[in-house]
Amino acid sequence: QKEVEQNSGPLSVPEGAIASLNCTYSDRGSQSFFWYRQYSGKSPELIMFIYSNGDKEDGRFTAQLNKASQYVSLLIRDSQPSDSATYLCAGAGGGADGLTFGKGTHLIIQP
Amino acid sequence: DAGVIQSPRHEVTEMGQEVTLRCKPISGHNSLFWYRQTMMRGLELLIYFNNNVPIDDSGMPEDRFSAKMPNASFSTLKIQPSEPRDSAVYFCASSLDRLSGEAFFGQGTRLTVV
Repeated sequence: QKEVEQNSGPLSVPEGAIASLNCTYSDRGSQSFFWYRQYSGKSPELIMFIYSNGDKEDGRFTAQLNKASQYVSLLIRDSQPSDSATYLCAGAGGGADGLTFGKGTHLIIQP
Repeated sequence: DAGVIQSPRHEVTEMGQEVTLRCKPISGHNSLFWYRQTMMRGLELLIYFNNNVPIDDSGMPEDRFSAKMPNASFSTLKIQPSEPRDSAVYFCASSLDRLSGEAFFGQGTRLTVV
């Protein structure tokens, strides 16, 4: 059973601070990982993906992957109220097609 | 491109009725996925197609659910007969290929079975 685990939150962060979102996965064969953002009542939208161990930066977002620890994280710098949403972590590969999603972390940025 | 298009956006039906959800993937995408999202279970993969062929339907909850993809630009998910526990948001997503995680989601169909 492939599982992706996330803390459901809510995670409350003051505006301008760094928001840190974490995710663990059970399938060691998973090859790639994705972070989706979902606003209430909307569909998930892809914001970051990472395939290799280490960090990947894109603007205010940094994804981190540690395959030995089976751990993925997303850092959001200079958090804005518009970043308030549910963040879904997903894994792919490992012999199974399609994405396995975590249940998401609800992030609240306090003005 | 208009993105993945789903219809209807909202569906309210009585228990026992047949429900058909529709999806038009992004042109040129070879893989299509149907997901279901609930508060309790999160986002679950129901079935996916590659080049119009169903590859894995192990996520389909039971025989009341069926999905088809008659051509590259259209797919349906049918529930017959529907039950209240089927109430959820159903998303269709497409990606360039079966191993790509860069899936693009439609706006979803919110299904309520009363």
